[in-house]
Amino acid sequence: DVKVTQSSRYLVKRTGEKVFLECVQDMDHENMFWYRQDPGLGLRLIYFSYDVKMKEKGDIPEGYSVSREKKERFSLILESASTNQTSMYLCASSERTRNYEQYFGPGTRLTVT
Amino acid sequence: GENVEQHPSTLSVQEGDSAVIKCTYSDSASNYFPWYKQELGKRPQLIIDIRSNVGEKKDQRIAVTLNKTAKHFSLHITETQPEDSAVYFCAASRTSMTTDSWGKLQFGAGTQVVVTP
Repeated sequence: DVKVTQSSRYLVKRTGEKVFLECVQDMDHENMFWYRQDPGLGLRLIYFSYDVKMKEKGDIPEGYSVSREKKERFSLILESASTNQTSMYLCASSERTRNYEQYFGPGTRLTVT
Repeated sequence: GENVEQHPSTLSVQEGDSAVIKCTYSDSASNYFPWYKQELGKRPQLIIDIRSNVGEKKDQRIAVTLNKTAKHFSLHITETQPEDSAVYFCAASRTSMTTDSWGKLQFGAGTQVVVTP
C-alpha cells in the first residue's frame, strides 16, 4: 500500500518566519510534487522533482523553494512566510513512466498570521 | 502551457440520478486524462483515467468519455449515492512512452458534487 506522509497536519506560523514542510513516500517513486489547494482554484502545482536533486518550477513557484536530497523525501520551504501563503499544501508522488497515478499525502493546513 | 477548465463548479443531484462533469483542455498534445475524487477532509484519489487512444472507459457506475477533436472530456456517474458526495478534479497531461515523461498533471478547478437523499 502506497504511503505518502507529511510532517504536520496543521501549522501556524508568523509573517516572516521560515517554514519547512516535509513529505516522505515509501514507494520508490521518481516523481514528487508540491501543490497548493485553495477553494475554487483547484490544485495548483508549486514545484515538482523527477529525480534526486532535480527540480522544476510549477505554475506558482514565487515565494517557495524545494529540496530533494533523498529519493523518498521532498521538502517545501517558505523562505519568509506571508499571509497570502495561508493555504492547504498537498504533496504527491508518482512513477516517472507508464503509471502516472499520483498518490497524495494527507495535506498540511498552514496558517500564517 | 496546458490549461484545463472544469464545469460546473457545484452540482447538486438527487440520489439515484446521474451526474456529469465536463472539462476542456487547450494542449492538443495532451494524451492522458485522469479524474480524482476528494472526500471532505481526505486526500485526492484517482478514480478513473483515460488515454487518448480510447474514446470511452467504464468502471461500474462511473465512466469517462473523451472527444479529442473538440478537446473535451467528461465524467459520468450513474445511480448516484450519498458516498459520491465529494470534490472531483479532472486533469490533463502530455505523456509519451517513447520519451522521458515527467507525469506532470494540469488540474481543473474542481466540482463539488452533493448527492441529496
